[in-house]
Amino acid sequence: KNQVEQSPQSLIILEGKNCTLQCNYTVSPFSNLRWYKQDTGRGPVSLTIMTFSENTKSNGRYTATLDADTKQSSLHITASQLSDSASYICVVSAWAAGNKLTFGGGTRVLVKP
Amino acid sequence: SAVISQKPSRDICQRGTSLTIQCQVDSQVTMMFWYRQQPGQSLTLIATANQGSEATYESGFVIDKFPISRPNLTFSTLTVSNMSPEDSSIYLCSVESWSTEAFFGQGTRLTVV
Repeated sequence: KNQVEQSPQSLIILEGKNCTLQCNYTVSPFSNLRWYKQDTGRGPVSLTIMTFSENTKSNGRYTATLDADTKQSSLHITASQLSDSASYICVVSAWAAGNKLTFGGGTRVLVKP
Repeated sequence: SAVISQKPSRDICQRGTSLTIQCQVDSQVTMMFWYRQQPGQSLTLIATANQGSEATYESGFVIDKFPISRPNLTFSTLTVSNMSPEDSSIYLCSVESWSTEAFFGQGTRLTVV
């Protein structure tokens, strides 16, 4: 069964600090891995998308890593800002499954001043 | 990128009634999906909206409860029928083409009373 697990479930950090979110997956065959940011009451917005050949991709203060061998990914937030408070969702795509996406449960991040 | 307009953004409905949610995208897309996101949870795929034919439903979702239309490549509707309080949730439209990643609408926050 395709699964995506994220940790931690929630995280509180002080403004200006860094943090790292983890994602482990068992989706096969793997097509790509995405990180989304979802503000409360809004739809998810894409941060990064990586194929199996990419190990790092950055989008501003967000840097995602991917290890396709161990089926792990991380999302690093640098110099956090209050606006980074949101849920971060790891999503894995498997082309053979009609491009269906498998969603992780998300990590809820709260940045405090 | 694709710009998605989802309407309504929120509604409060009486039990036993039905609500139709519209999803309009500003460009032709290959795939359109409908998701449900219950409070504090991640997204669950309801169905894939197929142009000109019946939608493909995921396990646990049926056409009588969630009829879907997709008359063309840029528009789809999801109806939540005979609503009960358990249908209170956020419903999201998502679009994706083979060469792009998934984009999400802002969501429809439904409360059934």
